[in-house]
Amino acid sequence: DTEVTQTPKHLVMGMTNKKSLKCEQHMGHRAMYWYKQKAKKPPELMFVYSYEKLSINESVPSRFSPECPNSSLLNLHLHALQPEDSALYLCASSQDRGAREQYFGPGTRLTVT
Amino acid sequence: QQQVKQSPQSLIVQKGGIPIINCAYENTAFDYFPWYQQFPGKGPALLIAIRPDVSEKKEGRFTISFNKSAKQFSLHIMDSQPGDSATYFCAASSITSGTYKYIFGTGTRLKVLA
Repeated sequence: DTEVTQTPKHLVMGMTNKKSLKCEQHMGHRAMYWYKQKAKKPPELMFVYSYEKLSINESVPSRFSPECPNSSLLNLHLHALQPEDSALYLCASSQDRGAREQYFGPGTRLTVT
Repeated sequence: QQQVKQSPQSLIVQKGGIPIINCAYENTAFDYFPWYQQFPGKGPALLIAIRPDVSEKKEGRFTISFNKSAKQFSLHIMDSQPGDSATYFCAASSITSGTYKYIFGTGTRLKVLA
């Protein structure tokens, strides 16, 4: 199974809401990633988890809070977002942080109103 | 120095043509250069990747050419098909002193006409 799944597919939230994005992989990968992709732009790395520990935080605002409950799951908790945070949020995984072949999920389309 | 410059922004070819997409980088610490294909509403999918000790790599209809001295690499799609119509991203990655970088190029929208 070479699939990364993400839920929900679409999410609309107000600026005062709290919501979470979920990502799951069953490939036995030990590194997982969150990316943000604006329309017609490339993905931008937000967070890297390696063996369930946060290893990279690319200066992302604290209104985005990642969590890795176990080796298969990755969450992104959202709170007090701004309209400019509207984007496609992509999850990816790789065998480990040193293995640069990343497998991406389909993403969650987030709209902040 | 962390940027990856990609060109052209868009490309239209006839079926059977050979589109070529180019990327250039500055940071010599980059040591892994993948190409991703992305269809609308989907996540990027890894097509092919190369490391700087190799000048060319071929997988099926996709070929990467790599010029280490010029710090450039390119993707060639042989016998292109309408199903290849998508956005293509190059990327460059490095892990140095514990710092992990994975930088995507700006993307090329390819359209293959039937």
